[in-house]
Amino acid sequence: DAGVTQSPTHLIKTRGQQVTLRCSPKSGHDTVSWYQQALGQGPQFIFQYYEEEERQRGNFPDRFSGHQFPNYSSELNVNALLLGDSALYLCASSDTGATGELFFGEGSRLTVL
Amino acid sequence: KQEVTQIPAALSVPEGENLVLNCSFTDSAIYNLQWFRQDPGKGLTSLLLIQSSQREQTSGRLNASLDKSSGRSTLYIAASQPGDSATYLCAVKTPGGSARQLTFGSGTQLTVLP
Repeated sequence: DAGVTQSPTHLIKTRGQQVTLRCSPKSGHDTVSWYQQALGQGPQFIFQYYEEEERQRGNFPDRFSGHQFPNYSSELNVNALLLGDSALYLCASSDTGATGELFFGEGSRLTVL
Repeated sequence: KQEVTQIPAALSVPEGENLVLNCSFTDSAIYNLQWFRQDPGKGLTSLLLIQSSQREQTSGRLNASLDKSSGRSTLYIAASQPGDSATYLCAVKTPGGSARQLTFGSGTQLTVLP
């Protein structure tokens, strides 16, 4: 049973560029959440997708946007990259009807120069 | 606003020692609490999930307890091994408008010395 998979694992961008990160949820899961983790900090909630709609959003600017596809996979897009966007971006999936336990992927390490 | 604190930020113990990691949260009206392990540069591995109606959960050498009234949870690791070295994070899910997100602590970095 494949767990949560994310791509790419590492990427380097320059300020002002745009980036797209991808996530496939654990088999049987219908809900995808995205988190940003700065070095030495706990993850911060960006937003959550269910039934192809954004259900909730954390304190992140509109430069951060996302999408969920009919197969439950998801993308995170960040526009006009800033140096402060450098972080590990984590995708988590869960089954809305179950225990609420979240399962995380290995993350995408974004470096903005 | 829910806030989660983990103390200490770092802990170093000799192999074989039993240890306790602490997690505290400001809003006791939680939906559940989850403990995670994170190896350097890696994602989060779920260790234990405690629902609000439960007092503890056990998995192998790990035991997590929950005391909602005092806003505390502990993760007990028995007979620690060098392979247990990692950062341990706790996270709470709070009912209501923010029911869909986890609030994390900053983690405790554990080093088990051989």
